[in-house]
Amino acid sequence: SQQGEEDPQALSIQEGENATMNCSYKTSINNLQWYRQNSGRGLVHLILIRSNEREKHSGRLRVTLDTSKKSSSLLITASRAADTASYFCATDGWAGNMLTFGGGTRLMVKP
Amino acid sequence: DAGVTQSPTHLIKTRGQQVTLRCSPKSGHDTVSWYQQALGQGPQFIFQYYEEEERQRGNFPDRFSGHQFPNYSSELNVNALLLGDSALYLCASSLKGGANLNYGYTFGSGTRLTVV
Repeated sequence: SQQGEEDPQALSIQEGENATMNCSYKTSINNLQWYRQNSGRGLVHLILIRSNEREKHSGRLRVTLDTSKKSSSLLITASRAADTASYFCATDGWAGNMLTFGGGTRLMVKP
Repeated sequence: DAGVTQSPTHLIKTRGQQVTLRCSPKSGHDTVSWYQQALGQGPQFIFQYYEEEERQRGNFPDRFSGHQFPNYSSELNVNALLLGDSALYLCASSLKGGANLNYGYTFGSGTRLTVV
């Protein structure tokens, strides 16, 4: 079963706009990770935020984590057509060793 | 530096048959995890192998089994295939089971299994 839900399920924006995706989860976590998947192939790690962190940046990516609300958001600024992909959040629990994924957000960036 | 390698990339099997998927972890990694991703859904954890033993298992039936070899490579076996086993099977590698704080887990490109 999935850990939680991602919102929206699909998002379509123009190049240059910002894209925001949200993720909710159900249980206590050690860290939360975001991955990108192009055309149903392998997952590419984007960013990891630990449970004691509230915000993290990496290039055009900004991730926030609110453990009291069990939610996270991923912001992609100044989007490009190459950002078109599915984005998944995944939680890593305190038992460790396994990721629990959400259902993903399918992002389309139009040139 | 080779990443995670999975073979084959595509596979078509008939219901009731058995299948073996293979994974070579990233150089320097010693742990392999397997995930099943149905079309349009997020990946689901099957199990993880570390030191040649199944370390943790997700909610999958015993038809799903695995093995890890001394060189850290791994196999996923599925017996008595069902139509519902059609999915993308992803392998992820890591060091001592946990995610690297900078690059998480390293995933392969997957094996697309179709059961007809």
